[in-house]
Amino acid sequence: KQEVTQIPAALSVPEGENLVLNCSFTDSAIYNLQWFRQDPGKGLTSLLLIQSSQREQTSGRLNASLDKSSGRSTLYIAASQPGDSATYLCAVYNQGGKLIFGQGTELSVKP
Amino acid sequence: EAGVTQFPSHSVIEKGQTVTLRCDPISGHDNLYWYRRVMGKEIKFLLHFVKESKQDESGMPNNRFLAERTGGTYSTLKVQPAELEDSGVYFCASSQEWGQGGNTGELFFGEGSRLTVL
Repeated sequence: KQEVTQIPAALSVPEGENLVLNCSFTDSAIYNLQWFRQDPGKGLTSLLLIQSSQREQTSGRLNASLDKSSGRSTLYIAASQPGDSATYLCAVYNQGGKLIFGQGTELSVKP
Repeated sequence: EAGVTQFPSHSVIEKGQTVTLRCDPISGHDNLYWYRRVMGKEIKFLLHFVKESKQDESGMPNNRFLAERTGGTYSTLKVQPAELEDSGVYFCASSQEWGQGGNTGELFFGEGSRLTVL
């Protein structure tokens, strides 16, 4: 049974810092991996999707890596801003397109 | 192109009442999924439709939950009778078929329907 774990559960950093959010999964037989952002009371915003054949994806200040063999993914946020404050969710795609989510990392970036 | 839309955005009901949540997927998306996040827990899969057929309903918590997708378009999720532990945010997502036109199978989520059972 696939399980997804995100560490840390919460993180508070001063503005401008670079930071790394971690995601691990127990079954390496995944199809894709996706990082989402959720603001309080809002829906899920897709940040990056990494296909199983890829090692990383980049979008602006965000970079996500994937190492299937070790069951890990990281989301790197460069030069963090207060507007980056949100909950970040990692999810892996199993067969059939079903997503398995981690519990999320709640990020707070202080001005 | 319109995204996945869900209605209502927030519903407050008494224990024992009935609530029906609706999801309109992105036009042309055959796959439709329901997920739920209850307080303090991760988002969990409820069920998956392919067109009008239930492909996987292994995540449905019990028989108080009924999902339908008549005609393979919009879907409804009915909770009857609602219990306190049903409170949470119900997300709907849709996707195209994997590999169709090079599609990655990415799921697109709606804003969610927040259910509060008092």
